[in-house]
Amino acid sequence: DAGVIQSPRHEVTEMGQEVTLRCKPISGHNSLFWYRQTMMRGLELLIYFNNNVPIDDSGMPEDRFSAKMPNASFSTLKIQPSEPRDSAVYFCASSFSQGYGYTFGSGTRLTVV
Amino acid sequence: RKEVEQDPGPFNVPEGATVAFNCTYSNSASQSFFWYRQDCRKEPKLLMSVYSSGNEDGRFTAQLNRASQYISLLIRDSKLSDSATYLCVVTLSGSARQLTFGSGTQLTVLP
Repeated sequence: DAGVIQSPRHEVTEMGQEVTLRCKPISGHNSLFWYRQTMMRGLELLIYFNNNVPIDDSGMPEDRFSAKMPNASFSTLKIQPSEPRDSAVYFCASSFSQGYGYTFGSGTRLTVV
Repeated sequence: RKEVEQDPGPFNVPEGATVAFNCTYSNSASQSFFWYRQDCRKEPKLLMSVYSSGNEDGRFTAQLNRASQYISLLIRDSKLSDSATYLCVVTLSGSARQLTFGSGTQLTVLP
């Protein structure tokens, strides 16, 4: 089991640039979650999908953020344009919808300068 | 008021000590409860679920008090490798699967 795979591991970009974060959930898991973690705010749920359908995106901070899940094995989180305050670690996690707990990916550490 | 509140610590304890972490949650309809562990610069990992009757996994004991909306984690005979941040986690609705995380309690076990 390869676990949840995120890419890139690290991303440094200039303010105003587009950033795309990628996630491959564990095969067979039908729920996928995007979280953001900062020192100030801890872990915040941005959006989650069930069976590839976005269920709750109320945590997405603003229109600059968008997420897609075109199929059961792939999801993206896009920030356009990026701002310094978007600097954080972005985690993707997956689970069975009726299961217990999540499995997190290793995260993408984003720095916007 | 935060949905899940934890004492941020840090807790610095000597090896072999017993340490307890507490957590409160605000939504009485919360259904499921967990403790996650997060090592520095790593992803959170499930440590254990928390059941109404309380449960134990080796040196770790978790308890839930639904009336007081309170969760605890007890670590006995702490090891250096227990040093991490411990996150209290609840689900806020019965059918949805999103977890809400507390801000975590930092533990350092000293030699």
